Amino acid sequence: EDKVVQSPLSLVVHEGDTVTLNCSYEVTNFRSLLWYKQEKKAPTFLFMLTSSGIEKKSGRLSSILDKKELSSILNITATQTGDSAIYLCAVGTSGSRLTFGEGTQLTVNP
Amino acid sequence: DAGITQSPRHKVTETGTPVTLRCHQTENHRYMYWYRQDPGHGLRLIHYSYGVKDTDKGEVSDGYSVSRSKTEDFLLTLESATSSQTSVYFCAISGLGEGYGYTFGSGTRLTVV
Repeated sequence: EDKVVQSPLSLVVHEGDTVTLNCSYEVTNFRSLLWYKQEKKAPTFLFMLTSSGIEKKSGRLSSILDKKELSSILNITATQTGDSAIYLCAVGTSGSRLTFGEGTQLTVNP
Repeated sequence: DAGITQSPRHKVTETGTPVTLRCHQTENHRYMYWYRQDPGHGLRLIHYSYGVKDTDKGEVSDGYSVSRSKTEDFLLTLESATSSQTSVYFCAISGLGEGYGYTFGSGTRLTVV
């Protein structure tokens, strides 16, 4: 059974702090690892990492895939209150399916 | 939400009644998915479809059935709703499948009383 584990489950920081969210996985036929941000409604896509693209960056957010350790981290620098959300990690396998982790609830206080 | 809509947005139903949730897309994407989201479990796959009339089960398919008679519509039916099916249901679409990014609908909040 495919498994994705995220840590921590929740995190409270102050504006300006840097945070690191973790995702580890045990799956068969790994194809990709994706990060999503979920505020009040639907998850929105942040990054996709694959064997050919193990590092992605967009503004204050960056992510790295470690295929040896079967894990990924999502870094957010200079956090803002608008970064408060649930961050979901998902792993794509053959058969067009994504397996999601439980998510990390990030709260950024002013 | 990028050409994907779910209906209804909210529903309250009684235990034992059948319920159908609808997902409609205008992107002509091949792959469609139904997930449920619950505290402590994250998003779990119920069923998915890789084409018209082609569907398969996910990890929590018991008590649910799906149909896809047209590319644009993917229906999720709770055959006889139970309180354990109270959840938020998300539909997602993907044009490429194989682990590529999904686009999610806005969700349906279902309460079974």
